[in-house]
Amino acid sequence: QITLKESGPTLVKPTQTLTLTCTFSGLSLSTSGVGVGWIRQPPGKALEWLALIYWDDDKRYSPSLKSRLSITKDTSKNQVVLTMTNMDPADTGTYFCAHNAIVGYYYFDYWGQGTLVTVSS
Amino acid sequence: DVQMTQSPSSLSASVGDRVTITCRASQGVMNYLAWFQQKPGKAPKSLIYAASNLQSGVPSNFSGSGSGTDFTLTISSLQPEDFATYYCQQYKNFPPTFGGGTRVEI
Repeated sequence: QITLKESGPTLVKPTQTLTLTCTFSGLSLSTSGVGVGWIRQPPGKALEWLALIYWDDDKRYSPSLKSRLSITKDTSKNQVVLTMTNMDPADTGTYFCAHNAIVGYYYFDYWGQGTLVTVSS
Repeated sequence: DVQMTQSPSSLSASVGDRVTITCRASQGVMNYLAWFQQKPGKAPKSLIYAASNLQSGVPSNFSGSGSGTDFTLTISSLQPEDFATYYCQQYKNFPPTFGGGTRVEI
């Protein structure tokens, strides 16, 4: 059974850097074909894909946010970390991590419960 | 980016109704289309992938169809637990993109 859970600050100030951690079980990022991604959702709005990391450390980013994002993995801890720099109130929303089901395609079959991040001074 | 347009944005229905939600892509995505269900305060739940394949554990009253640019999610007999917001997502082209959602209300 695959489970994922996000953790991190609930409140960040504008211009600060956000660091979120996804801790998972039931999968391993040392196994060929495995990937974990991040998706966010502003309040009352649609979903937006952010980033993805594969078992081989291949990383993909949303073109519109690429300059602000970094995704890394810690295989020994079963964790994936997303950092987003220069946070803005428009970045307020719920951030989800999810298991990538198909190598090379951005389909996510198992999602974490999400963590709400508010950007405000 | 491929724009995904869902219609309607919301609908009202009753238990037992047949419900159809449409998703249109701004360019062809073959059958690389997924549907998700999301309830308030919860994570999206995968329902369908590859346009018509039911995710394991999803009730058979859900079905998907379509290819290219036009897709449909059908709930054959709406159940109380089906009241939620539904999103489509294309994963053929980079970056992956989601539709704006369809809220199914009582």
